[in-house]
Parts: sequence; structure tokens; C-alpha cells
Amino acid sequence: KAGVTQTPRYLIKTRGQQVTLSCSPISGHRSVSWYQQTPGQGLQFLFEYFSETQRNKGNFPGRFSGRQFSNSRSEMNVSTLELGDSALYLCASSLDRVDIQYFGAGTRLSVL
Amino acid sequence: QKEVEQNSGPLSVPEGAIASLNCTYSDRVSQSFFWYRQYSGKSPELIMSIYSNGDKEDGRFTAQLNKASQYVSLLIRDSQPSDSATYLCAVNFNKFYFGSGTKLNVKP
Repeated sequence: KAGVTQTPRYLIKTRGQQVTLSCSPISGHRSVSWYQQTPGQGLQFLFEYFSETQRNKGNFPGRFSGRQFSNSRSEMNVSTLELGDSALYLCASSLDRVDIQYFGAGTRLSVL
Repeated sequence: QKEVEQNSGPLSVPEGAIASLNCTYSDRVSQSFFWYRQYSGKSPELIMSIYSNGDKEDGRFTAQLNKASQYVSLLIRDSQPSDSATYLCAVNFNKFYFGSGTKLNVKP
């Protein structure tokens, strides 16, 4: 069974641009969560999607948004990039909302 | 108060020793508890899940849960240098909450 797939693995953008990250969950998993991780920091929760609906949202500005499609694939978008948005963005999928989360390899975003 | 708290470490243990990692959580209704390991530059991977009070063993790893005291711990027996990583505690009460992680260094 394929794991959680995140694309792209690496991204380099400049300030002011926008970026879209993609996450394909494990087959059959309906819940997708997104996290931001910066050097020395723990996992900062961005949002959770289940059945195409955002169920929870972390404390991030409105520049961060996401969505989930009917096949459970999810995308997150960051508009008007800032230098501080440079981070590892992790997607995790789970069978259900209270089930074990499995992480993808992450997308490393660098904002110059 | 943070929902999940861990000592950031680093915790240094010699090879072959027992490493003890601790985690406390704030919500009494939590039902699911997890330990993840994260190597530098990599994504977290699940080590153990525990749902009921007591101990759960898997190879060199033992998770311990005490709901009355609201703590969960992870013991690593016969620690190896390859165990050197950051260990994340996670608690699920309708949403996943991760601790900030404890960095473990196992010295040869």
C-alpha cells in the first residue's frame, strides 16, 4: 500500500509569490492534516480536513488556506509569501479523525 | 497551558542504557496516545500507540500510560546510537496535539 505522497518535495519561491502544495493520502484514508515545522520548532498545526470539510484550523494567518477533494487528496496554498514561511510542510493522513496519523515526506519550502 | 508538554532535552544516555522519555497532557478525556520518532530532516514516524492504562511493549520500546496522572512515557531499552532522534508525544482528543519533542542522544 502506498504511503502519503507529498509533491513537490522542494520548492524555492520569492517573497510575495504564492505556492500550492499537494498531498495524496494513503488509500482509504479520509482525514488529512497539515503541519508547519521550522528549525528547532515542534509541529505547528495548520488545518485538518475530513470529507472535504475543514474540521479544525490552527493559529495561522488567512494567507494559509487549504482544501480537500472528493478523492481525499488535499492541497494547501500560501499566498503573499514571507521569509518566515520557509519551513518543512508536512501532511498526515488517517483512516478517521481519531485514528493514527501517518506522515508524508514533506515539502521543504524556501522563500528568498 | 499547552495541551501536551515534553522536556525538550537533550537527553543523553550511553549506548546500552535505558532512555526514559516523558509527556504530560492537559485533557482528561483523551483516549489515544502516540509516540513518534523524527530524525533530523525527516518526517515523523509512528513508534507506538497506546489506548489503555498500563504498559505496552514492542521490542525494545515500552509505552506507559497513566490516565489518572495524565502522563504517558516511552522507555527505550538497550539504547543504540541509531535511536538518536527527536521523540514526539501526541495525544488525540478530537484533534491531534503534538508536544514539542524531546531530543535524545545515545552516545557510543
